[in-house]
Amino acid sequence: QVQLQESGPGLVKPSETLSLTCTVSGYSISSGYSWGWIRQPPGKGLEWIGSVYHSASTYYNPSLKSRVTVSVDTSKNQFSLKLSSVTAADTAVYYCARDVAAAGTFDYWGQGTLVTVSS
Amino acid sequence: DIQMTQSPSSLSASVGDRVTITCQASQDISNFLNWYQQKPGKAPNLLIYDASNLETGVPSRFSGSGSGTDFTFTISSLQPEDIATYYCQQYDNLPALTFGGGTKVEIK
Repeated sequence: QVQLQESGPGLVKPSETLSLTCTVSGYSISSGYSWGWIRQPPGKGLEWIGSVYHSASTYYNPSLKSRVTVSVDTSKNQFSLKLSSVTAADTAVYYCARDVAAAGTFDYWGQGTLVTVSS
Repeated sequence: DIQMTQSPSSLSASVGDRVTITCQASQDISNFLNWYQQKPGKAPNLLIYDASNLETGVPSRFSGSGSGTDFTFTISSLQPEDIATYYCQQYDNLPALTFGGGTKVEIK
């Protein structure tokens, strides 16, 4: 059974960098597919942030591209998100997910982690 | 970006009712559309992919149809466990994946 688990600080100060890691179990990232991050502000809808292929190629939401870095560490079976220059608008539940088609279909998701941006 | 417009934003129906949600894309996306269910406090769950294909393990009362710009998601007989918010999502316009605004389904 494929499982994903997000980890990282739950509180980030404005203007700093948000960093999260997703640990995958039950499937080897190096075997294929792509791996993505999606967020959901409290009480609002879903927003895709960016994804990374198992080969480490990346693609990002154009609206966030200047602030986002997604990377993969196949040796640890993890992938990571960095979002720079955060503001209160970046407060959200952040989900990691597997993109089974490597083109935008997310079949396995982590439970999500709430990140609050506040001083 | 391709905008995805879902309607209604919320609905209330009785157990056993047929429930229909629509999703309209701002441009032709062929059949590159998924439907997800999100229960309160939980991650989204993929129900339908490629507009009409039922994900493995998903009950057959869920279905999807449509192509181009107009799509429909149907619950043939609403069950209490179907209380959730449902989202459509297009993946025609990589790298700009976008979700609809969601439809909250409640029991009357």
